[in-house]
Amino acid sequence: AQSVSQHNHHVILSEAASLELGCNYSYGGTVNLFWYVQYPGQHLQLLLKYFSGDPLVKGIKGFEAEFIKSKFSFNLRKPSVQWSDTAEYFCAVNAQGGYNKLIFGAGTRLAVHP
Amino acid sequence: GAVVSQHPSRVICKSGTSVKIECRSLDFQATTMFWYRQFPKQSLMLMATSNEGSKATYEQGVEKDKFLINHASLTLSTLTVTSAHPEDSSFYICSARPTGYGYTFGSGTRLTVV
Repeated sequence: AQSVSQHNHHVILSEAASLELGCNYSYGGTVNLFWYVQYPGQHLQLLLKYFSGDPLVKGIKGFEAEFIKSKFSFNLRKPSVQWSDTAEYFCAVNAQGGYNKLIFGAGTRLAVHP
Repeated sequence: GAVVSQHPSRVICKSGTSVKIECRSLDFQATTMFWYRQFPKQSLMLMATSNEGSKATYEQGVEKDKFLINHASLTLSTLTVTSAHPEDSSFYICSARPTGYGYTFGSGTRLTVV
């Protein structure tokens, strides 16, 4: 069964600091990978996704993620965070085939201080 | 774009009663829908996969008789929480995958059982 691990549960940064959130998955086959953001009191919003091709994926709001197949990783990065990036970030994996169910990691709560 | 409409957004019910949550695909047909629950400050946990015209597929540990899922048409899936108890209080979210690539999520239903 597929699973997703997010190593950082809470991250606290100052504005302009660089961000990297870890995500590892366990599944031997072909996967689709996603990062979602959930702002306080709001719904899930897709940041970026990877299906195939260039393993460096650029998303909205200056976020990017790199798929490293050999490491089963899909880490999220942003070179300079803003206070408005304070939110919860979820990595999610879909194993191709079957019912295409999407499995989420535990989430990382990011707090950015001005 | 593809939209999933979820209703109601909030519901408060008495312990022992049943609550029905609706999830509709507004501009596409969804043969499969997914139901998640999210406890405060936690991740989305997949409860079940709803299949049009057939039985739902439940994740391990999810009580089938407690969480009844009906997917009677290509645009509507319902989740009924039967004999609700305070521990069922949670945020319930439905999702579909209209294009075969990205997932779209409903706005969620916050259930409070008193």
